[in-house]
Amino acid sequence: DIQMTQSPSSLSASVGDRVTITCRASQSISTFLNWYQQKPGKAPKLLIYAASTLQGGVPSRFSGSGSGTDFTLTITSLQPEDFATYYCQQSYESPPLTFGGGTKVEIK
Amino acid sequence: QVQLVESGGGVVQPGKSLRLSCAASGFTFSNFDMHWVRQAPGKGLEWVAVISYDGSAKFYVDSVKGRFTISRDNSKNTLYLQMNSLRAEDTAVYYCAKDRDDIQLCPDYWGQGTLVTVSS
Repeated sequence: DIQMTQSPSSLSASVGDRVTITCRASQSISTFLNWYQQKPGKAPKLLIYAASTLQGGVPSRFSGSGSGTDFTLTITSLQPEDFATYYCQQSYESPPLTFGGGTKVEIK
Repeated sequence: QVQLVESGGGVVQPGKSLRLSCAASGFTFSNFDMHWVRQAPGKGLEWVAVISYDGSAKFYVDSVKGRFTISRDNSKNTLYLQMNSLRAEDTAVYYCAKDRDDIQLCPDYWGQGTLVTVSS
């Protein structure tokens, strides 16, 4: 199984900050990497697929990069509605489809 | 617009069974692979199962193999998860999700989830 490791597991940031979350795969997954945002009590929402392609309707302050085993999600100028938990997920092979452990972005 | 509505969750005793349903609308259900993903209280996301668009292929996470069965009825636009021999560790919110049409294994729309609690 492909293991996905996110770091940090949580971070505190202020509105307007630039935030970077990293995700590492246990083997090369090319660019088969997706990012989700989840707010408390809500379903996950797809933000970015194929490592760097923004899902429709997602603000351009979100961006993704990386290939192989190392990936990043960047939020430029953090907004109040961006405080949430973010998950990476590999779509390279299944079963199983695997998620990272999540990164909780909290208000400083 | 895409809508996925799960139902069937509840409190069940260990060893018992439960069937979850997911009613789909707003897209051509029969064209898409569908997933079940769960989230234990306060924990991260865990993929459970996937079924191909026509029901011919099904895959599961190891922890539910032999106990859970994913199925679909394309005539009713409904996805199912039959859960047998339930354990305390199956307690979670269960989400159904559809795959993107251009990338496999990339759930793009999710339902609101249904809570399953396994407890005596």
